[in-house]
Amino acid sequence: DAGVIQSPRHEVTEMGQEVTLRCKPISGHDYLFWYRQTMMRGLELLIYFNNNVPIDDSGMPEDRFSAKMPNASFSTLKIQPSEPRDSAVYFCASSLTGAIYEQYFGPGTRLTVT
Amino acid sequence: AQSVTQLDSQVPVFEEAPVELRCNYSSSVSVYLFWYVQYPNQGLQLLLKYLSGSTLVKGINGFEAEFNKSQTSFHLRKPSVHISDTAEYFCAVSAPIQAGTALIFGKGTTLSVSS
Repeated sequence: DAGVIQSPRHEVTEMGQEVTLRCKPISGHDYLFWYRQTMMRGLELLIYFNNNVPIDDSGMPEDRFSAKMPNASFSTLKIQPSEPRDSAVYFCASSLTGAIYEQYFGPGTRLTVT
Repeated sequence: AQSVTQLDSQVPVFEEAPVELRCNYSSSVSVYLFWYVQYPNQGLQLLLKYLSGSTLVKGINGFEAEFNKSQTSFHLRKPSVHISDTAEYFCAVSAPIQAGTALIFGKGTTLSVSS
């Protein structure tokens, strides 16, 4: 299995630009999670989906952030407009019903907003 | 609500020495507990988990952890570390009876193993 795939691995953009992060979960997994990791705040859950439906988006920092999961094999996290404080590593993770807490993480996308 | 406190942000240790990474949690309900490891420039990987049963759980790479309900702790230990254990370690908690909850992570402990 290829594991969780994220793209791009690195993204550098200017303040005000739109950023789209992509994730392909492990085939057959029905939970998908988006996390953000910073030195100051550690690892924060932004949103998670079950069977492509958003279950809890209380971690999404503000309206500039949105996430979608149009099908079981693809999810996006979009930031529009981006700000320097959005600079972080964004992780996608997936898991199975019955083992929701055993999450498999992707390698992350390092976002830098200048 | 649940919370996790990792008591040490950095733990330096020499190769072949024992190590303990400390984790305390807070919860008003029964919890599941986890340790994840993050190697440089990689995503997190599950090291071990406590769901129920024996309070001493063994994980990958020779790590083990003990669940102590009275002290609300879940400390991670390894009797002899290797250079390759250098990584960041995260303790995490979840409350299984609260539908819709997910993992809550601690801030992490950086384990640095030197020769």
